[in-house]
Amino acid sequence: DGGITQSPKYLFRKEGQNVTLSCEQNLNHDAMYWYRQDPGQGLRLIYYSQIVNDFQKGDIAEGYSVSREKKESFPLTVTSAQKNPTAFYLCASRGRGQGKKFFGPGTRLTVL
Amino acid sequence: QQPVQSPQAVILREGEDAVINCSSSKALYSVHWYRQKHGEAPVFLMILLKGGEQKGHEKISASFNEKKQQSSLYLTASQLSYSGTYFCGTEMPNNAGNMLTFGGGTRLMVKP
Repeated sequence: DGGITQSPKYLFRKEGQNVTLSCEQNLNHDAMYWYRQDPGQGLRLIYYSQIVNDFQKGDIAEGYSVSREKKESFPLTVTSAQKNPTAFYLCASRGRGQGKKFFGPGTRLTVL
Repeated sequence: QQPVQSPQAVILREGEDAVINCSSSKALYSVHWYRQKHGEAPVFLMILLKGGEQKGHEKISASFNEKKQQSSLYLTASQLSYSGTYFCGTEMPNNAGNMLTFGGGTRLMVKP
């Protein structure tokens, strides 16, 4: 079955540690996205990538970093510079010329 | 520029109708509608591209006004499964295909 996988589903980290969230898709989609969602809030764009080895900042990129070395993978690193990292993180992808975005199941990050 | 959704929350009895609005201060390239169940990923409902367009599937439909600054989502004869948070996502003409900006969401609860 084609889709997007995110791991882990729940993640706990101590303050000051960097943490990397995984996102993999087997839909052969060119574009991939990372969103952050806070309780009761909408989704805010962190980073997006339209092709391999290229990515752009979204609205709230500070304190985050990404890489796109493979078409299937778009990992997100939450660095210690992110002041309030506890949130629900969603990865999404979109095929070329398509409007519909597919979302992964999300990773809930809690920083203690 | 984040679109504005209204109302923020709606409580319905099964079988009742609801309308959710999504507004922008500038003309849009497209409007996307998603539904999210608690703790899950958003699920795509539909996308509207043309001014004056109306689209729907069974008892959920949406419209995009002629000026392409407002979209409305119509839920008729609501079912318990319609409960969740509805988000509109908008694209601007100068950044279409890249940045989808989401509204704050409308929480819908359908009671028996």
